Amino acid sequence: QAVVTQEPSLTVSPGGTVTLTCGSNTGAVTSGHYPYWFQQKPGQAPRTLIYETTNKHSWTPARFSGSLLGGKAALTLSGAQPDDEADYYCSLSLNYAGVFGGGTKLTVL
Amino acid sequence: QVQLQESGPGLVKPLETLSLTCTVSGDSVTSGSYYWTWIRQPPGKGLEWIGHIHYSGGTSYNPSLKSRVTISVETSKNQFSLKLTSVTTADTAVYYCATTKGYWGQGSLVTVSS
Repeated sequence: QAVVTQEPSLTVSPGGTVTLTCGSNTGAVTSGHYPYWFQQKPGQAPRTLIYETTNKHSWTPARFSGSLLGGKAALTLSGAQPDDEADYYCSLSLNYAGVFGGGTKLTVL
Repeated sequence: QVQLQESGPGLVKPLETLSLTCTVSGDSVTSGSYYWTWIRQPPGKGLEWIGHIHYSGGTSYNPSLKSRVTISVETSKNQFSLKLTSVTTADTAVYYCATTKGYWGQGSLVTVSS
């Protein structure tokens, strides 16, 4: 069964830069896996930050960007703010089905 | 932009069928641009992809749920729906409808309990 892996937790300093990654046990992640990145704060529904590797929504802060890096999908946060503290999930399309990673708890400290 | 709203019972008895509807506004469920998706999140846990449907009728389901899940589209009401049969307490979760390009509903808590 396909498994998507994320760092369980990361910490970034205010104003700092951090990269979250999203890998697959089936091999290198490509744009054909349609990587998505979601942010979820306590008690709220997830919201999509990045879809299909690099695309942003109108509500996506400019400090977030998506890419492919070293065989994984990556979400880079440049200039972290306290409001960015949240859980971040990625998803990939594997064998025509969606699969979520376990999530990364990002602390801004 | 697309807006989504889940609706359905908040309490379902064990072994019964969970039924939820997602009402779409801002676009048509017959739009070829989207796959209409269901996702769930058990309390305190991560996200789980349930399945999706394209208006043409093509579906894909999570292998672990496939035997119990049906997703369908109701074009006349601009809705799509989820049915999950033979539920257990493990199916207690917030259920979200969503689309490709990443539009989400607010979620609907469904509790399985007698």
